[in-house]
Amino acid sequence: SQTIHQWPATLVQPVGSPLSLECTVEGTSNPNLYWYRQAAGRGLQLLFYSVGIGQISSEVPQNLSASRPQDRQFILSSKKLLLSDSGFYLCAWRVPGQWGNTIYFGEGSWLTVV
Amino acid sequence: KNEVEQSPQNLTAQEGEFITINCSYSVGISALHWLQQHPGGGIVSLFMLSSGKKKHGRLIATINIQEKHSSLHITASHPRDSAVYICAVRGTDKLIFGTGTRLQVFP
Repeated sequence: SQTIHQWPATLVQPVGSPLSLECTVEGTSNPNLYWYRQAAGRGLQLLFYSVGIGQISSEVPQNLSASRPQDRQFILSSKKLLLSDSGFYLCAWRVPGQWGNTIYFGEGSWLTVV
Repeated sequence: KNEVEQSPQNLTAQEGEFITINCSYSVGISALHWLQQHPGGGIVSLFMLSSGKKKHGRLIATINIQEKHSSLHITASHPRDSAVYICAVRGTDKLIFGTGTRLQVFP
């Protein structure tokens, strides 16, 4: 079966500290991987997506970065967090090239920057 | 103007009522998703549509590609249906999300 794991589930970080959120996918290979953010009271916003190892597309300029060191691993990072980085972060995946396939979401990570 | 617009933004209903949430989009799409987000944040995919209509239990989703419009219906609503319902459209590899409709169903 196909599953997606995302961690940590919650974290509170001070302004200026680094961030690392990790997402791993099981049961599939060469998935398209996505990082989304949902700020309080707002919709989901695509931050990064990746169609392969080392291939990252950024949708929104910001102080975040993403990396895909392995086929089924997607990492969201920041060197110095801002207050505005607070929000709910979701990792997602889908099988590329097949329009009939749905998208699957991780459990999400609640980030509070203080 | 957002590429994906949902209405209403907030919706309250009494248990048993028929509920409709609307989604309009302005871009070309290959598919449209209806998602349900629970208070804890977790998201579940309800439907993926590229044409016509789909039904799952008390949930029905329809899409009109020519009019660029989709609706999510909930028949015989129940308090456990309370959640945020999100419409998302897919172009190539990216999903564009609506801001969601917050539904509260009271007993």
